[in-house]
Amino acid sequence: AQSVTQPDIHITVSEGASLELRCNYSYGATPYLFWYVQSPGQGLQLLLKYFSGDTLVQGIKGFEAEFKRSQSSFNLRKPSVHWSDAAEYFCAVGGNTDKLIFGTGTRLQVFP
Amino acid sequence: GAGVSQSPSNKVTEKGKDVELRCDPISGHTALYWYRQRLGQGLEFLIYFQGNSAPDKSGLPSDRFSAERTGESVSTLTIQRTQQEDSAVYLCDSSLVSGVSYNEQFFGPGTRLTVL
Repeated sequence: AQSVTQPDIHITVSEGASLELRCNYSYGATPYLFWYVQSPGQGLQLLLKYFSGDTLVQGIKGFEAEFKRSQSSFNLRKPSVHWSDAAEYFCAVGGNTDKLIFGTGTRLQVFP
Repeated sequence: GAGVSQSPSNKVTEKGKDVELRCDPISGHTALYWYRQRLGQGLEFLIYFQGNSAPDKSGLPSDRFSAERTGESVSTLTIQRTQQEDSAVYLCDSSLVSGVSYNEQFFGPGTRLTVL
C-alpha cells in the first residue's frame, strides 16, 4: 500500500537551533517526494521536491531534504530555525499517478 | 487573481443541511484537485479534474459528495445531508497540466467546514 508516515506530530525547538523532520514512505514505484509547509490561514506552499539525481535537495527558506532509498526516508532539515518557520509541515509522495499521498503532518513550534 | 481562491473561508452548518464549496483555480490551469484535511490528519484526495476528461472520483467518501467543474474554470464541491464527520478543511489546488510529479501544485487557503 502507498503511504507516508510522519512519526512526529509536534516538535518544539528554540530559535537558532537545528531542525530535522522525519518522513518515511511506502511506494511501489519510483517515488517523487515533496515537502509542503502550511501556515495558519494559508494554502500549502511547496518547499522542495525530489525526482531523481542528487539525493540532497535544496529548497526555499533555507530548507533541504535528503532522499535515502535504503531507509525509505525523505527527512527535512534546516540548520538554524527562525521564528517564522513555525507552521505545519507535510511530506507527500507522488509518482506516475496524478494524486499526491500526504503524511499526517508535523506541527513545528519555535520558542524565542 | 494571482493564486487559487476558495470560498467561503469558513462555513458552519447544521447536520443534515447541504453545503457548497467553491474553488477558483489559477487562470489557464487545466488540472484541479479537491482534498479534505481532518483535524490531526493529512490531506485525503477526494476528486480530480483534468480539462474536459471524466473526473477521477475515486476519493469521494460517499455519494453525498459530488463536484463539478466546467472546462477549466470554477469548481464546486457539494456535500449533501452533512454529517459531523464531514467537519474538516477542504483544500483545492490547481496545476497547469496533470501529473503531480512534474507540475507544481498551487493550493488555495481552504474552506473550514464545521457541522454542528
